[in-house]
Parts: sequence; structure tokens; C-alpha cells
Amino acid sequence: DSGVTQTPKHLITATGQRVTLRCSPRSGDLSVYWYQQSLDQGLQFLIQYYNGEERAKGNILERFSAQQFPDLHSELNLSSLELGDSALYFCASSVRRGQDTQYFGPGTRLTVL
Amino acid sequence: AQSVTQLGSHVSVSEGALVLLRCNYSSSVPPYLFWYVQYPNQGLQLLLKYTTGATLVKGINGFEAEFKKSETSFHLTKPSAHMSDAAEYFCAVATDSWGKFQFGAGTQVVVTP
Repeated sequence: DSGVTQTPKHLITATGQRVTLRCSPRSGDLSVYWYQQSLDQGLQFLIQYYNGEERAKGNILERFSAQQFPDLHSELNLSSLELGDSALYFCASSVRRGQDTQYFGPGTRLTVL
Repeated sequence: AQSVTQLGSHVSVSEGALVLLRCNYSSSVPPYLFWYVQYPNQGLQLLLKYTTGATLVKGINGFEAEFKKSETSFHLTKPSAHMSDAAEYFCAVATDSWGKFQFGAGTQVVVTP
């Protein structure tokens, strides 16, 4: 158990809908990262937050947004969902940044029908 | 800019044989290097990491990796494969900057009896 929790574990929804994925980092970790893992794209970095502020953006679509709250949990919002958004979404946390080990949650499997 | 290349998307090894997974990186600054393992339907788990100091790094489950700056490599090895080593392995590189953490495409390891 990494100490990172993600809810829900599975999510099935329809195209055009909006969903919210939730992540609680390990106790004491200030950075939260979101990744998308799919068969065709591999593991893609989406976005990073540090202590409530966005610090880095990767391959995140404009339809996707995230935030980190004062209690350090984070939410990833996916809107206008398309079939191609079906993937595993991982949250990871680390103490600070870059060179720090990232601890991964179990992931949320999103299926868009 | 930095990048990671993992040679071989699939590797098949016999139980008891050497496991060798190749990772090459490019980075304009001294890198921090990581190997993660992903078991089916689970999140990623850190195997080992190199930050500074000794270039031969030992990790969990009998794995080790050697940082070779001249070859820009960080290959992962295990002397004797076990059936439980069947998983996907990811090499990653980071720098002491925000959000610059990049994963390779992954290598799927199959262990045969």
C-alpha cells in the first residue's frame, strides 16, 4: 500500500459526460501528479500541483482540468468525454518535486461508452 | 529537455535466468533516474532510484541498476528471474525542476518455467 488513495476505482460513463476523479496523497506529501495510461499512448504525464498551486503541465487536454485543495487532496475533472478518453488515470504524490520518489495510487479505470 | 528510451517492449526470460532491461536517457542536466514496476491491475511501485553517489544502486526484490554517465544508460538487472517478476517495468528520468519527470514506454517481462 503506497498510502495514496484514489476514488472511484472504476467509472463507466457515456460520451459527452463529465466526471471527477479524486486523489488523496500520502501524509506529508505536498506534490500531486496526474497521469493517464492507455495502450496506445503509454503512461502520459498530465499535470502537477504543489501545495495547492499548479507547477507543471504535460499532455493535458483543454477538456481536462485539475486542482489541489487546502487539505492537499486533488481532483481531476474530465469533461465532454470521448471514447478515446477511456484509460487508467493514476495519481501520484511526492514530498516536493523532481528528484523525489513518486508514490502511485491504485488508479481509476475510466470507460467511456 | 529530457527523454527516456527503453529498448524492447517485451522481454521473455526463463525462470532462473538473468533479467536485463535496457534504459537510455538524454538530459541536459544531471538526471535522477528511477525504475518502477507495475503488476497487473495495480499502480506503479518504485524498484530503485539513482540520485547522487554510488552508481550501482540496489533495489527491492533483488534488482539492481547501474548509472553509466558515459553511456547515458541505467539498465536494470536481476541475476535470477522468478515467476513473480512477471510485470511491466518503467524507466523514468527527472531533474531538479518542477514536473520534469518522464517515463519510458515500458517493458513487459514474461517469465517462463
